Amino acid sequence: DIVMTQSPDSLAVSLGERATINCKSSQSVLYSSNNKNYLAWYQQKPGQPPKLLIYWASTRESGVPDRFSGSGSGTDFTLTISSLQAEDVAVYYCQQYYSTPPFTFGPGTKVDIK
Amino acid sequence: QVQLVQSGAEVKKPGASVKVSCKASGYTFTSYYMHWVRQAPGQGLEWMGIINPSGGSTSYAQKFQGRVTMTRDTSTSTVYMELSSLRSEDTAVYYCARGRDMVQGACPGYWGQGTLVTVSS
Repeated sequence: DIVMTQSPDSLAVSLGERATINCKSSQSVLYSSNNKNYLAWYQQKPGQPPKLLIYWASTRESGVPDRFSGSGSGTDFTLTISSLQAEDVAVYYCQQYYSTPPFTFGPGTKVDIK
Repeated sequence: QVQLVQSGAEVKKPGASVKVSCKASGYTFTSYYMHWVRQAPGQGLEWMGIINPSGGSTSYAQKFQGRVTMTRDTSTSTVYMELSSLRSEDTAVYYCARGRDMVQGACPGYWGQGTLVTVSS
């Protein structure tokens, strides 16, 4: 199974500042036949289900503010919130959905306001 | 619009089974795979398995093999997740989540509201 790790476990960022979350997979999630990275990012606020933010590592889901961006390829990925807003306080998860299941999640990164 | 409505909270004793339902609407039920994901209190997300509502084929995480069964009823556009031999560690919120695209290799794009299952003697 592919193991996902995230760093840091938590971070506190001032309003309007940049937040960066890293995600690493134990093996590549880049599918060579279509050159797509099978990596998604989710946001989860307390008491709510997760919300899809980014898929294919860098494609923003419809309706997601453009301050959220994803980057990376192969085994190393990053979610960036360019200008943190109060409503972005949440836990963020990466997930790989490469090839055969299981489609494992990272352990999550908690983002707070400094 | 896509809606996934799950059944209500359950309290079960250790050793019992639980069956959670997820009723889909707003799209063609048989065209999109459905995932099941759980979250223990204060913990992260754990992927359990996936079902193809079209043919009923399933794939489960090894951790749950032998204890989980995912089924569907195309007449009511409902998928089910049954977990047996419950133990306290199975206390969690269970989510169904529809694949974003019409292939197995699609991340969950739409989520149900979650069903809390509590296992306690």
